[in-house]
Amino acid sequence: DAMVIQNPRYQVTQFGKPVTLSCSQTLNHNVMYWYQQKSSQAPKLLFHYYDKDFNNEADTPDNFQSRRPNTSFCFLDIRSPGLGDAAMYLCATSRGGGKDSPLHFGNGTRLTVT
Amino acid sequence: AQSVTQLGSHVSVSEGALVLLRCNYSSSVPPYLFWYVQYPNQGLQLLLKYTSAATLVKGINGFEAEFKKSETSFHLTKPSAHMSDAAEYFCAVRTSGAGSYQLTFGKGTKLSVIP
Repeated sequence: DAMVIQNPRYQVTQFGKPVTLSCSQTLNHNVMYWYQQKSSQAPKLLFHYYDKDFNNEADTPDNFQSRRPNTSFCFLDIRSPGLGDAAMYLCATSRGGGKDSPLHFGNGTRLTVT
Repeated sequence: AQSVTQLGSHVSVSEGALVLLRCNYSSSVPPYLFWYVQYPNQGLQLLLKYTSAATLVKGINGFEAEFKKSETSFHLTKPSAHMSDAAEYFCAVRTSGAGSYQLTFGKGTKLSVIP
């Protein structure tokens, strides 16, 4: 089945230690998104790639970066994780960025910062 | 700016009872609306979407939603709740943003089903 796969499902990192979360997709969608979801809150968009074009949300901290080496893969890098960055990180894809294009989500990576 | 508001952060129903989860939207243009479901420690799964083709939208798992322009609502319903419906439900709207249309979520409603 075509899908969005996130690895790992659970990630523990130390305060200030860089961490990378991975996302891959077999849907061949051209748009990939990273959302942050804190406990009991709605997912919040961090940034997205439309093809190779990177689009950062205005309020996304500089501590968060992303890379998309090819259509299938996208990475979220947190340069110096703080305790407040503990959250579920969701990767999603869509075919195009149009209004009627639904997003397809992976199962997320739960990040713990110790 | 377009947004959605979900009334009730937590809803409890008995198994077999009607499920009604409320979502109101704010938009100056015709909105594109979605309902997603999230099971514990999982990603979000699309239940249904409204894209102006029909006001009554049927989704997966027996859910449906009706778009009512006069009430600016897009409530999610299911005639008979099942234990497996216990999850968190998010209403969302596509909003214009940098590069494309973004998906903006409501705060979510956690559904509990009582046996």
